Parts: sequence; structure tokens; C-alpha cells
Amino acid sequence: ETGVTQSPTHLIKTRGQQVTLRCSSQSGHNTVSWYQQALGQGPQFIFQYYREEENGRGNFPPRFSGLQFPNYSSELNVNALELDDSALYLCASSHPGQGPGNTIYFGEGSWLTVV
Amino acid sequence: GNSVTQMEGPVTLSEEAFLTINCTYTATGYPSLFWYVQYPGEGLQLLLKATKADDKGSNKGFEATYRKETTSFHLEKGSVQVSDSAVYFCALWLNNAGNMLTFGGGTRLMVKP
Repeated sequence: ETGVTQSPTHLIKTRGQQVTLRCSSQSGHNTVSWYQQALGQGPQFIFQYYREEENGRGNFPPRFSGLQFPNYSSELNVNALELDDSALYLCASSHPGQGPGNTIYFGEGSWLTVV
Repeated sequence: GNSVTQMEGPVTLSEEAFLTINCTYTATGYPSLFWYVQYPGEGLQLLLKATKADDKGSNKGFEATYRKETTSFHLEKGSVQVSDSAVYFCALWLNNAGNMLTFGGGTRLMVKP
């Protein structure tokens, strides 16, 4: 149990639709990151939020966007869904940032299937 | 850029066998290194970490030593159990590198009774 909760756990969307995934970070953690894990691959960094501001972004197009709220919970939004967006989306939290001594906690993930 | 390379799986062992999963990295700087484990249908759990050269991370019988000279962080366990069956990911983190973890492709371990 990492204290990081994600919702929904599973969902199916149609190509072209939009999706919102949610994450509640561990209590007191002000940094949230999102990763995409395609089947059989390692997670790929999408972006990170620190104190409600984007604080690093991986190689993902602008249709992947996010928010962080004052309570440090976060959302990942994906517009114009493509079939290749089908993956497990992982949220990770840490404090006070992903410094070398800090532990990064992952949630169970949200499985997205695009048909 | 930064990258992590793991041995391809699956690795199939009998219970009580010795485990080694190789991990090497390429990084511009001095990264922190991690091993994460993913059980079927679950998210990632931190298994162990090392933040500087020659550090040894250990947890639940697993060990890995940060070898700067060979840029490696191999995972070992002396006697595996069926319950260790999972996918293992090696990862690195670098300060000022987008604040992200860079993962290897994962190695599936299957332990047979």
C-alpha cells in the first residue's frame, strides 16, 4: 500500500474521444508524475507537476495535458485518443521533489483501452 | 541521452535457485539507481535503491550494487521463491534531467516450484 490512489482502474474509450485520469498522491507529497506503460514495456515519463506547475515533460504531444490541485491531487487528460494510447497509466508521488534520497511511490495504475 | 538496458526475459528458475538480472545504464552525470517490481495486474513497487557509487541497496533478500566503473546495477537474490515471480524494472534518476525516472524494458521472472 503506497498511499497513491488512481481512478478509474479500467476504462474503454473510442478513438478520437477524450479521457481524464485522476490521482491522489500520498499525504504531504507535493510532486506528482505521470507515466505511460505500454504492454510489455517499461514506463515512459509523460510529465511532472510540482506545487501546481508543470515541472518537466517527456516526449509526448500536447494532447497529453495535466493539472495539479492545491491538495496536490492530479489529473491527466488525453485528447483525440489514438489506438496507440492504449496502455497502463501510472501516477507517482514524492516529496519534496524526486531528489536522490526521496522515495517515489506509484499507484496501481489506470488501464486505458482505445478501440 | 540517458538510457537503461536490461537483460531480456523471461528468466525461468526453479525455487531456491540463484537469481541475477543484469542492468546497465548510460547517463550524463551521476544518477541514482532503482529496482522496481511489478506483480501481475499491479503498479510498481520500489524494491531497492542506491544513490551513489559503491552503495548497495537491499530488501527482501534482493541486493544490487551501484558500479560506476561498469555503469551497472545488477539485481541478485541467493534463493528465489515462487512468490518472486514478477516483472523487474531497473531505473535511473538524474537531477536536472526533467525530474523523471528512466526505466529499462523490464525482465519477467518466472519461478517454478
